Amino acid sequence: QVQLQESGPGLVRPSETLSLTCSVSGGSVNIGSYYWSWIRQPPGKGLEWIGYVYFSGSTNYNPSLESRVTISLDTSKNQFSLRLTSVTAADTAVYYCAREGPIGLDSWGQGTRVNVSS
Amino acid sequence: QSVLTQPPSVSGAPGQKVTISCTGSGSNIGTGYDVFWYQQLPGSAPRLLIYANKNRPSGVPDRFSGFRSGASASLAITALQAEDEAVYYCQSYDNSLSAWLFGGGTELTVL
Repeated sequence: QVQLQESGPGLVRPSETLSLTCSVSGGSVNIGSYYWSWIRQPPGKGLEWIGYVYFSGSTNYNPSLESRVTISLDTSKNQFSLRLTSVTAADTAVYYCAREGPIGLDSWGQGTRVNVSS
Repeated sequence: QSVLTQPPSVSGAPGQKVTISCTGSGSNIGTGYDVFWYQQLPGSAPRLLIYANKNRPSGVPDRFSGFRSGASASLAITALQAEDEAVYYCQSYDNSLSAWLFGGGTELTVL
């Protein structure tokens, strides 16, 4: 069974870049049929889809974040990453990585909390 | 205000049935995009509950069922148990926003 684990700094300064990595075990990111996704959840609020990367490297982003987001794949490490530039307090959230397959977001990481503060 | 509208909260007694609605529009559920449902227990990551409107992944009890009609969908939970207390989210694709959307979430309280 595939498992996902997020990692990265828990504190990011305003205007800087948030960088997170999702390590995948029990399955390869380098196969078709799956989209490797990022979703976030601000404190006390609902879920927001950020975007995904396909095994080919193609990406799709939430238009509301597209100008600031990059999601990339590292097949040699079986990982995928999220970069979000020019962060503000509104980007404070729990960030989840997840696998999207034919049946939806069927595997999730435990989430990592990122606080944007000076 | 989410594009996919869910009631903020529902409640029911153990053993009873509850239904959670998810109302969309012609650019998402109404245009035929599938609906997915997720359960988020307190302090945990979401878990896939229903896919493609009405199908359960392996391991999800048959007490959970999904239904889609027109621009709306619903999740029904029968024989409520205390362990069902969670927040439930619907998800669908919106072609005018070109994005996957989640509903605002519905908090289920088992009385």
